[in-house]
Amino acid sequence: GQQLNQSPQSMFIQEGEDVSMNCTSSSIFNTWLWYKQDPGEGPVLLIALYKAGELTSNGRLTAQFGITRKDSFLNISASIPSDVGIYFCAAENYGGSQGNLIFGKGTKLSVKP
Amino acid sequence: DAGITQSPRHKVTETGTPVTLRCHQTENHRYMYWYRQDPGHGLRLIHYSYGVKDTDKGEVSDGYSVSRSKTEDFLLTLESATSSQTSVYFCAISESQVKETQYFGPGTRLLVL
Repeated sequence: GQQLNQSPQSMFIQEGEDVSMNCTSSSIFNTWLWYKQDPGEGPVLLIALYKAGELTSNGRLTAQFGITRKDSFLNISASIPSDVGIYFCAAENYGGSQGNLIFGKGTKLSVKP
Repeated sequence: DAGITQSPRHKVTETGTPVTLRCHQTENHRYMYWYRQDPGHGLRLIHYSYGVKDTDKGEVSDGYSVSRSKTEDFLLTLESATSSQTSVYFCAISESQVKETQYFGPGTRLLVL
């Protein structure tokens, strides 16, 4: 079935550093979403992308919908301690049935000791 | 934040007992979803609803049933809980089938002993 490969699985950040993560698939999608999840809470939507090549920002976050429609990336600039958490990509091909949103396994962001 | 609540937030139960989790929304969104989140698997869709009394199965529906008698409530029932159903359960809602953007509740942590 369809799968999203999210990388890296985990990374350590130092305050002020830029962070990049991405999501790839062998399938084509029409929507890419990025969520952040804090411990003990539900995922919160960060950015939604609906068009191939689209580049969208939300504060220090920037995400792009890959031109091939098979990938997406998320960048965080000048990271701060509250950026720690788990980031999930999600994608949908709404040519299929409703409920067809699939998720990557997440990138865990932690603060460098 | 989307108006989504889940109850209970935490539950401990014994194998073989029935369990019902409730999702309540105040957004009047048509679509509602139940996911489970497990380490190494990310978020997986259990069931979803596309209207009152209209539901369908997701990726991991075995052992679960759902009901939606009102727009605002979506119930997930484990008829006879098993230890493999120990997980964190999230409800999500969305307004539209096209350009789908799902918003998540805070989650229910279920432990089946």
